[in-house]
Amino acid sequence: EAGVTQFPSHSVIEKGQTVTLRCDPISGHDNLYWYRRVMGKEIKFLLHFVKESKQDESGMPNNRFLAERTGGTYSTLKVQPAELEDSGVYFCASSQDPPWAGGSLNAEAFFGQGTRLTVV
Amino acid sequence: AQSVTQPDIHITVSEGASLELRCNYSYGATPYLFWYVQSPGQGLQLLLKYFSGDTLVQGIKGFEAEFKRSQSSFNLRKPSVHWSDAAEYFCAVGARTGANNLFFGTGTRLTVIP
Repeated sequence: EAGVTQFPSHSVIEKGQTVTLRCDPISGHDNLYWYRRVMGKEIKFLLHFVKESKQDESGMPNNRFLAERTGGTYSTLKVQPAELEDSGVYFCASSQDPPWAGGSLNAEAFFGQGTRLTVV
Repeated sequence: AQSVTQPDIHITVSEGASLELRCNYSYGATPYLFWYVQSPGQGLQLLLKYFSGDTLVQGIKGFEAEFKRSQSSFNLRKPSVHWSDAAEYFCAVGARTGANNLFFGTGTRLTVIP
């Protein structure tokens, strides 16, 4: 079974440009999450999709970030325009059940390998 | 506010030696607790998790962690480290109801020397 896949693995862009990150979750996983790790800091939650709906986007830093999940399958995270402080590693994760179903084996979140974004 | 503290940024151990990685959390109630590992070029992999019951939790790759409510800690241990354990380790907490996300610590990078 394929895991969570993220594209690209690395991206270097100039300040002011646009970048789109893609996440393909595990097939059948309704829950999809985006997280970000700025260098040396903790991994921080960005948002949570349930199928195609945004369940929680409280972690999105500002309106330069736009996440979509059309059709409830793969998701994209667009940064437009990119700023220097957007540099970091963006992780995607998916789970079959939501995280508060913690006792369920299907609540485990599986993470992708991350996309390293460098804004210069 | 929820937070997770991993006080050790970098730890170096010799292969075969024992390992303990520290994790302290601040949370309004007893959370779910997790340890993840990220090996170079890989995604975050779940090592183990605590939801309820026995406070000593066994995980994959020979790791275990102990939940100590009185100390708000969830330290990760391994009796004998292998070179392949070199990676970055993240402690995380999650809410038992309603919240959607995990709160992570800043990570501890483990170096294993021969």
